[in-house]
Amino acid sequence: DAKTTQPPSMDCAEGRAANLPCNHSTISGNEYVYWYRQIHSQGPQYIIHGLKNNETNEMASLIITEDRKSSTLILPHATLRDTAVYYCIVKVEINKFYFGSGTKLNVKP
Amino acid sequence: DTGVSQDPRHKITKRGQNVTFRCDPISEHNRLYWYRQTLGQGPEFLTYFQNEAQLEKSRLLSDRFSAERPKGSFSTLEIQRTEQGDSAMYLCASSLLGTSAYNEQFFGPGTRLTVL
Repeated sequence: DAKTTQPPSMDCAEGRAANLPCNHSTISGNEYVYWYRQIHSQGPQYIIHGLKNNETNEMASLIITEDRKSSTLILPHATLRDTAVYYCIVKVEINKFYFGSGTKLNVKP
Repeated sequence: DTGVSQDPRHKITKRGQNVTFRCDPISEHNRLYWYRQTLGQGPEFLTYFQNEAQLEKSRLLSDRFSAERPKGSFSTLEIQRTEQGDSAMYLCASSLLGTSAYNEQFFGPGTRLTVL
């Protein structure tokens, strides 16, 4: 299994950038890195995905290291509504996501 | 709303009773997934369908669990003779099979089951 390692929790001040790290040292060459988040009592919500290159969308940026063994999700200006559990996922088999325990991001005023 | 919907959102049942949950995927999506999430953990894969065919089941899916997707549209997940250990959030997701390895899954709000 391609596993991911994330810190269990992080704090961030409102308005500041939140940088969430993820280690995925066993990732295979054709496996994407996905990030989802889950706000309390809701289903997971897609944020961004990437393969090799850095990616940016309206929600976040994804920085993937050159060796692809780790990545960082960046929320450029965190708000209180960004408080959630963030999951870094490397899909091992095409039909399954392995979520892990994620990082609980606490955005504080 | 054209997202994934699940019904009911909450279900409380007594141990030993049967329960059934429904998932309506995004209309053009041909893949449908069920996950289970216990408190403090990430979702765990249970099973998935491609159109009406159930192609894979996790070992987490005991004989008391059965899932169907008649006609390749909505899906149901039934749990027979519920146990307290079945208490969890049951999440449904759908996706569109494409030609690339990219496969974004869209999740519903989940059904929270409490077995007393």
